[in-house]
Amino acid sequence: GQNIDQPTEMTATEGAIVQINCTYQTSGFNGLFWYQQHAGEAPTFLSYNVLDGLEEKGRFSSFLSRSKGYSYLLLKELQMKDSASYLCASMDSNYQLIWGAGTKLIIKP
Amino acid sequence: NAGVTQTPKFRVLKTGQSMTLLCAQDMNHEYMYWYRQDPGMGLRLIHYSVGEGTTAKGEVPDGYNVSRLKKQNFLLGLESAAPSQTSVYFCASSYSSGEVTGELFFGEGSRLTVL
Repeated sequence: GQNIDQPTEMTATEGAIVQINCTYQTSGFNGLFWYQQHAGEAPTFLSYNVLDGLEEKGRFSSFLSRSKGYSYLLLKELQMKDSASYLCASMDSNYQLIWGAGTKLIIKP
Repeated sequence: NAGVTQTPKFRVLKTGQSMTLLCAQDMNHEYMYWYRQDPGMGLRLIHYSVGEGTTAKGEVPDGYNVSRLKKQNFLLGLESAAPSQTSVYFCASSYSSGEVTGELFFGEGSRLTVL
């Protein structure tokens, strides 16, 4: 079967670093995506990984290990505006996205 | 720069009523999608379209119909609304080739309540 697991909620402090983990089981894996969704708003694309390793994009980085079915999103120098849900999604052999339920990140001052 | 536009943003229906959600995109994308988002669950694909005049079922198609008569528009219909269809509905679009289809552009969402 196909499945995505990520923590329901995490709390971090402004200025700190947080790592949001995601494990997946997908038939015919074609990449791992991270999206950000602020409360009451639409998801927006953050990152895409298809090869093992770390992709850095400013304060955000995303890591993938295909052999372990594991990814994480790393957020540095946290700002209050980073309070949002972070959605992990894997792409299957039909290029369809399988979505996790999202991790709600709460940033405290 | 409109992107993906959904109408209406909010709607309350009574059980058994019908309605249509309209999605319009101005990015010339081939692929369009309708998702629903419920608390504690990931986005679930209802129907999708890979081009004008074509539609396909997603993970949860029952109770919904769609049409893609024009490339820029994707309509989602509920013929006889049920309380289980209370949800937030998102339309999205993407380019057509390979992994690029995973970068979706979403509309603002339509919050539907069925009483």
